[in-house]
Amino acid sequence: DAGVTQSPTHLIKTRGQQVTLRCSPKSGHDTVSWYQQALGQGPQFIFQYYEEEERQRGNFPDRFSGHQFPNYSSELNVNALLLGDSALYLCASSLFNSEQFFGPGTRLTVL
Amino acid sequence: GENVEQHPSTLSVQEGDSAVIKCTYSDSASNYFPWYKQELGKGSQLIIDIRSNVGEKKDQRIAVTLNKTAKHFSLHITETQPEDSAVYFCAATPASGTYKYIFGTGTRLKVLA
Repeated sequence: DAGVTQSPTHLIKTRGQQVTLRCSPKSGHDTVSWYQQALGQGPQFIFQYYEEEERQRGNFPDRFSGHQFPNYSSELNVNALLLGDSALYLCASSLFNSEQFFGPGTRLTVL
Repeated sequence: GENVEQHPSTLSVQEGDSAVIKCTYSDSASNYFPWYKQELGKGSQLIIDIRSNVGEKKDQRIAVTLNKTAKHFSLHITETQPEDSAVYFCAATPASGTYKYIFGTGTRLKVLA
């Protein structure tokens, strides 16, 4: 049984560009949450998707958007990248409001 | 606002000794407290969790205690092994009806052989 998978593993972008990160949830899970983890910090909640809708959002600007597909996989999009967006982006899946299982993350570097 | 403080930021112990990591949360309505172990390239693994209606939970060498009055909870690892070396994060869920986890800033545990 595959756990939560994320792609790509690493990504390098320049300021002003746009990026799309992808997440496939653990089998049987229907909810996907995204977190941003800056170096040396704990993960910060970006938003959560359930039934293809954004159910809750953290304190992130509108440049951060997402999508959930009918197969429960999800994408995180970040527009107009800033240097401060450099971080590890974590996807977590769960069955509705149960415990969240995390993927290995995507390391984004903005130059 | 919602906040979780975690201490210490780094912890070194000799193999076989115990390790304790402490977290304090701000929202008294928080009701779920997971602990994650993060290893490079492996992601974050849920190692133990506790709900607000329980004071202590144990799973082999790992235990978590919760003091709701003081709003703090702790992770205890006994008989530490080199493979326990990792970064550990505590988290709390704010009031029911929200789905996000509020994480601490992490503790880097080094188990010295």
